[in-house]
Amino acid sequence: SAVISQKPSRDICQRGTSLTIQCQVDSQVTMMFWYRQQPGQSLTLIATANQGSEATYESGFVIDKFPISRPNLTFSTLTVSNMSPEDSSIYLCSVGGTGELFFGEGSRLTVL
Amino acid sequence: GQQLNQSPQSMFIQEGEDVSMNCTSSSIFNTWLWYKQDPGEGPVLLIALYKAGELTSNGRLTAQFGITRKDSFLNISASIPSDVGIYFCAGQSAGTYKYIFGTGTRLKVLA
Repeated sequence: SAVISQKPSRDICQRGTSLTIQCQVDSQVTMMFWYRQQPGQSLTLIATANQGSEATYESGFVIDKFPISRPNLTFSTLTVSNMSPEDSSIYLCSVGGTGELFFGEGSRLTVL
Repeated sequence: GQQLNQSPQSMFIQEGEDVSMNCTSSSIFNTWLWYKQDPGEGPVLLIALYKAGELTSNGRLTAQFGITRKDSFLNISASIPSDVGIYFCAGQSAGTYKYIFGTGTRLKVLA
């Protein structure tokens, strides 16, 4: 399994600001994903981070709100733009292997 | 987004008891994954299942891939306090790399 490191682990943000979350993997991976976990809820896929091309977003998520970068096979960023209290969630980076899916520790964002 | 139905939603058990939980879907899956999530942590993969009828163990945990391919089960034997957490199932359909996650089962163990 890959070691996945996310930064920041948590942050408190003001309404209207943007925050970028970083995800670093200790080995090259083809598939990287970003999930959101709202308080007390399950995990919802935001997008697939594609290396060298635009991310593929799931229904209900748009690039303007959640821009994603994937400059290489070990790194990705997710930005949460123009935040509102409804964006308070845990954001999780994950990587896919041969049928398996591994997660980072998550970034817990609280928007005031 | 689409979610799998997990049951029970929560359970309180005595230390030493066995635990069973399940996950059901209206769709057929080719892969089932089971995770445990502790507070403030990301989900940790417990067991992966790849074939209908497959039964796989990881220590005190045993998971099964349902014959219909629309369900999966997780059993924990002789529960201990550190089993406390939220257990999630996740299913993947053929022809897609995406996983759909269950609604979660919150487990509490009383010493």
